[in-house]
Amino acid sequence: EPEVTQTPSHQVTQMGQEVILRCVPISNHLYFYWYRQILGQKVEFLVSFYNNEISEKSEIFDDQFSVERPDGSNFTLKIRSTKLEDSAMYFCASLRQGAQAYSTDTQYFGPGTRLTVL
Amino acid sequence: AQSVTQLGSHVSVSEGALVLLRCNYSSSVPPYLFWYVQYPNQGLQLLLKYTTGATLVKGINGFEAEFKKSETSFHLTKPSAHMSDAAEYFCAVTPTSGSRLTFGEGTQLTVNP
Repeated sequence: EPEVTQTPSHQVTQMGQEVILRCVPISNHLYFYWYRQILGQKVEFLVSFYNNEISEKSEIFDDQFSVERPDGSNFTLKIRSTKLEDSAMYFCASLRQGAQAYSTDTQYFGPGTRLTVL
Repeated sequence: AQSVTQLGSHVSVSEGALVLLRCNYSSSVPPYLFWYVQYPNQGLQLLLKYTTGATLVKGINGFEAEFKKSETSFHLTKPSAHMSDAAEYFCAVTPTSGSRLTFGEGTQLTVNP
């Protein structure tokens, strides 16, 4: 069964450093997402991406964050200058999205990347 | 704006007992509702979803949930808990397919032998 994959599974970085989290969505999916989950808190939406541009973003997704689909398979989240409060589990998700306006497709999640900022 | 409230951050049941995890939502439009499960050190796996049609939906691993519009609820149940059901469960809502999911705080389910 196709699945979303994420690398690395765990990333440790120093405050102020740039990190890139990588995701490979399911191959025929068209919508891509990043969510994060700070330890002990709820899963929070960061950004969604469709047709090579951001379709929606939350207030968390400030200028320190960017997303890119550099080729036909990868979807990346970049944090330019990491802060202590960026420590969290980051989940990538993808969705196929049918042609109908009321498609009932589901977002499929990857296993996550645990980011630790020291 | 959409929001989700899960009553009870921790629920503990005995093996074989009924599992009931509560979820209430707030939405300005008819919502799509989901339950996801997260096993330790793993990602989020879809248990079941409600979009339109039958209000009682069945999912994997014997779980089911009922959409009650009048109560703005989407509680998750399973008649008989198994040890393997121990995990964290998240209720989520979205106004349309493709839009962001808004998650509840999560409920940690413990199953005692």
